[in-house]
Amino acid sequence: NAGVTQTPKFQVLKTGQSMTLQCAQDMNHEYMSWYRQDPGMGLRLIHYSVGAGITDQGEVPNGYNVSRSTTEDFPLRLLSAAPSQTSVYFCASKRAWGRGGSDTQYFGPGTRLTVL
Amino acid sequence: GQSLEQPSEVTAVEGAIVQINCTYQTSGFYGLSWYQQHDGGAPTFLSYNALDGLEETGRFSSFLSRSDSYGYLLLQELQMKDSASYFCAVILDSGGGADGLTFGKGTHLIIQP
Repeated sequence: NAGVTQTPKFQVLKTGQSMTLQCAQDMNHEYMSWYRQDPGMGLRLIHYSVGAGITDQGEVPNGYNVSRSTTEDFPLRLLSAAPSQTSVYFCASKRAWGRGGSDTQYFGPGTRLTVL
Repeated sequence: GQSLEQPSEVTAVEGAIVQINCTYQTSGFYGLSWYQQHDGGAPTFLSYNALDGLEETGRFSSFLSRSDSYGYLLLQELQMKDSASYFCAVILDSGGGADGLTFGKGTHLIIQP
């Protein structure tokens, strides 16, 4: 199993550009989520999904869209990039939802995004 | 709202024992997790406590006291490879089964030879 994969690893955008960060998992996990991590900060939840066709907002959803058309894929779209979205983005998945932390969350390697 | 407090930095000596504390204030609570993150890497799961008490996994142990809204991670027989950031994270009883993690800001553990 490849686990959780993310592309690209690095990205530089200009203000106002849009792009999609890709995330895929091959573990047949129900639950997938996106976090952002800023320097000296913990991770903050952007959006999450408890299954194909179901998504919901996390703590910091503004400026981001998600969709979940398949179990494997959970792309994150930046609609109009802003310098405040410069961050490291992590995708994560776990086997099932509704069981608290009893299922391990697996994180992808991250995408380092800079918005100029 | 919710908040988690943990020390920003802890220094310890190779072979020693170190404890990283975490206190939390949340409107709901389901459990407390600990994650390790090396510089430039992804967070990796270390432990999870839903009930009061101590959970042991090899050199790492984690403790939770729900009545005190407090937990800690204990690392024994420290090795240089344990130099990393350690995050506590709460899972809120959101009622919607979101299971999203709310992270503290992390503790940077420095191991000295």
